[in-house]
Order: sequence, then structure tokens, then C-alpha cells
Amino acid sequence: EPEVTQTPSHQVTQMGQEVILRCVPISNHLYFYWYRQILGQKVEFLVSFYNNEISEKSEIFDDQFSVERPDGSNFTLKIRSTKLEDSAMYFCASSEVTAYEQYFGPGTRLTVT
Amino acid sequence: QKEVEQDPGPLSVPEGAIVSLNCTYSNSAFQYFMWYRQYSRKGPELLMYTYSSGNKEDGRFTAQVDKSSKYISLFIRDSQPSDSATYLCAMMDKIIFGKGTRLHILP
Repeated sequence: EPEVTQTPSHQVTQMGQEVILRCVPISNHLYFYWYRQILGQKVEFLVSFYNNEISEKSEIFDDQFSVERPDGSNFTLKIRSTKLEDSAMYFCASSEVTAYEQYFGPGTRLTVT
Repeated sequence: QKEVEQDPGPLSVPEGAIVSLNCTYSNSAFQYFMWYRQYSRKGPELLMYTYSSGNKEDGRFTAQVDKSSKYISLFIRDSQPSDSATYLCAMMDKIIFGKGTRLHILP
């Protein structure tokens, strides 16, 4: 069964450093998403991406964040200058057509020290 | 008032019992309602989605939406220890998640 994959599973970085989180969505899916989940908190929407551009973003997704689909399979989330409060699980998701039928990856745990 | 409210639990029930999980919401614009299951340190897994009010059944799972009360439910029949997880409700127009209810099925 096709699935969304994410790398790395765990990333430790120092405050102020740039990180890139990588995702490979399900191959025939057209819509891609990033979410974060701070420990003990709810899953929060960051951004959706379709047709090589951002279709929607939340107030969390400020200028420190960017997304890219560098090739036909990968979807990345870059955080330019990490802060302590960026420590969280980051989930990538994809959907074929409808946003209510999203499939999530296993997540990348980001620890900012 | 928060957009989506969900009792975090934990909820412990004996194996074989019927489980009822619930969420309330405030935004009447929500049209799609989803339930996800999340095992520890894993990504959310879509269980079911429903559109507008009504019921939807899939095996042991039944999702119910009451838009007049802004209340949604997920029922799990014949609960199994493997059902032990955190259950997240979510709804949209733009997707909003509840905080999740931790469920423990006691063998």
C-alpha cells in the first residue's frame, strides 16, 4: 500500500540553524501539506501546496518557513533560523484530490537546542 | 470559545465494550468531519470522513455528525486492545484538529 515517507525521523539542531525536512508524498497525489504537533498539543496546519505554489498557509507559517517541490517526488519544508519553540513533530500529508482525505507520513521530530 | 473541543481523556474501557468519542465545534461553516487514529510516535491515520450531518459506518466504526448541535461522535464496537491509541477529530473548510482523546482498551 502506498504511503507518505519522511526523512529524517529525528533531527537535532542548534538555535539559529537552518533545517530542511523532507517528504515523499504518495505518487499520484496532487495536494501536499505540512503540519506540526508540539508535544502534548494538537496537530496544527502549516501550509498546503498545489500546482507548485502555496494554496493556503496559517499564521504559524511566517517568513522563517518555506516549502518547495524540488523534483517530481520530494516535498520539503525549510525553517531558516530555528527557534526553541520550533521543537515539535512535523508531519507531511498528501491527498489525491480532496483535502478531507489526507494521508499522513510518520513525522520528523525536530529538536532545537 | 475554542473552534474544536475534544476531551483529552484518558478513556479506559474493557475489551469488547462500545466506545464513544466526541467533539464539539463552534464554526457552523465546517462541512467535512474526519476522524484520525494516532498511535504513539506515529502520524495520524485517516479512519473515516463524513460530509454534513448523518451517520457513516465502516466495519466496527460509526461516525455521526449532528450539525444542529455542532457535535460529532465516533463509535467503536467490539473494542480491541489494538484500538488503544489517540483519536483525533478534524473538520474543515480549513482543517482544524481537536486535541485528541487517548483511549485505552483493557484486555
